[in-house]
Amino acid sequence: DQQVKQNSPSLSVQEGRISILNCDYTNSMFDYFLWYKKYPAEGPTFLISISSIKDKNEDGRFTVFLNKSAKHLSLHIVPSQPGDSAVYFCAASSYNFNKFYFGSGTKLNVKP
Amino acid sequence: DVKVTQSSRYLVKRTGEKVFLECVQDMDHENMFWYRQDPGLGLRLIYFSYDVKMKEKGDIPEGYSVSREKKERFSLILESASTNQTSMYLCASRVSGHLNTGELFFGEGSRLTVL
Repeated sequence: DQQVKQNSPSLSVQEGRISILNCDYTNSMFDYFLWYKKYPAEGPTFLISISSIKDKNEDGRFTVFLNKSAKHLSLHIVPSQPGDSAVYFCAASSYNFNKFYFGSGTKLNVKP
Repeated sequence: DVKVTQSSRYLVKRTGEKVFLECVQDMDHENMFWYRQDPGLGLRLIYFSYDVKMKEKGDIPEGYSVSREKKERFSLILESASTNQTSMYLCASRVSGHLNTGELFFGEGSRLTVL
């Protein structure tokens, strides 16, 4: 059973608008969460992370929100750009980082 | 910049063949990982290694083995390839200890097709 779920396989957004990618997890022991971005024929690259002691982390156009009570996190991209078109994976780990559990990914398409 | 290099981008093998996937990282990272990526399933951990000659099973180790004889190199071995091992294989590394931010550095992937 997947412990990290991304229920939207794809998302299409107009350039300049907000993209919101969602992720749910089931294990309350997770306390560190990351988002990775993957272009075709490349490996995933780290985008942004958040620990469970925070509920928000920003890095430029990217903001991750964490709702621990709902076991839900989301990635906001504002404004969206065509170069953001990629597959986004969320991942979760306990604080010792021994294992990461990945969601199935959401393919974002930002239309010019 | 960290570089994780996977030896083969694309491989085609026959059922029953022994397959070696090689991964080399150049940042002296202690921890290395092998994942496979399948549509709808995301990335699933096959094996990981904390240090040289140390290995631990991930979530789906069946049908695979690994070797870590040198710190920079982590090999994934399919002893007898089967069609259900057709997948994208991703190697990753990360630093350990107090410098560990959890961030994994991935290679570009090896797409294996087993006929």
